[in-house]
Amino acid sequence: GDSVTQMEGPVTLSEEAFLTINCTYTATGYPSLFWYVQYPGEGLQLLLKATKADDKGSNKGFEATYRKETTSFHLEKGSVQVSDSAVYFCAPHSYNTDKLIFGTGTRLQVFP
Amino acid sequence: NAGVTQTPKFQVLKTGQSMTLQCAQDMNHNSMYWYRQDPGMGLRLIYYSASEGTTDKGEVPNGYNVSRLNKREFSLRLESAAPSQTSVYFCASRETVGNQPQHFGDGTRLSIL
Repeated sequence: GDSVTQMEGPVTLSEEAFLTINCTYTATGYPSLFWYVQYPGEGLQLLLKATKADDKGSNKGFEATYRKETTSFHLEKGSVQVSDSAVYFCAPHSYNTDKLIFGTGTRLQVFP
Repeated sequence: NAGVTQTPKFQVLKTGQSMTLQCAQDMNHNSMYWYRQDPGMGLRLIYYSASEGTTDKGEVPNGYNVSRLNKREFSLRLESAAPSQTSVYFCASRETVGNQPQHFGDGTRLSIL
C-alpha cells in the first residue's frame, strides 16, 4: 500500500546549521508531493509543494525537489532558526484515492 | 480569511458521553477530511467526503460517524466516547481541481476520562 518513510526524530541542530530531513514514499500513480509544518499547539500548515518530476518547491528558505526515479522528496534549509522548531510532515497526495499519505513526522529542535 | 474553522478547541468528556465536533470551511472546497493525531503516530484519516452528500471511511472509522451537512460543513460524531478516542482531531478541506493542497483547521483537543 501507499506509505511514507521519514527520518526518525528529533533532529537537534544549532541555529544557522544546515538541515536535511529525508523523505521517501510509495504511492500508486503520479502523486503530488507536499511538506507540511506543525508548530506546537497548532494545526498543519502547507510549507511547500511539487507536482511533477524535477519540480523544486520552496518557501521560507526551505526547498525540496521531486525525485521520481528515487521516489524521494527531501527537505533542506541552508541555515535554520530557533523559530523553525516544529514537526515536519512529508505527504504525497494520491489522486487514485484523493487522500494524503502521512508518516509519523520529524520533530526539529533548533537551539540558539 | 477564516479558512477551516473547528469548534470546540478543547473538550473533556466522560466515558459513554456523546459529542459532535464541528468543522466549516469558507473556501468552497469539494473535499473534506477528518483526522486524528496521536503521539508518535502522525495523522490517521477517520472519514472523508468527496462532495456534499457523500462520505467514505478512512483508516480508523470505528466509533465515529460523520455528516456532510452541506458544502461548507462536515461534522464528526462520537456516539459513545471511549478513553481510546482521546486525541487531537483535525479537519481539512481541499479543492479537487488541480494539484491543490489540503488546508487544515487548528484542531480540537479531546480528552475522555
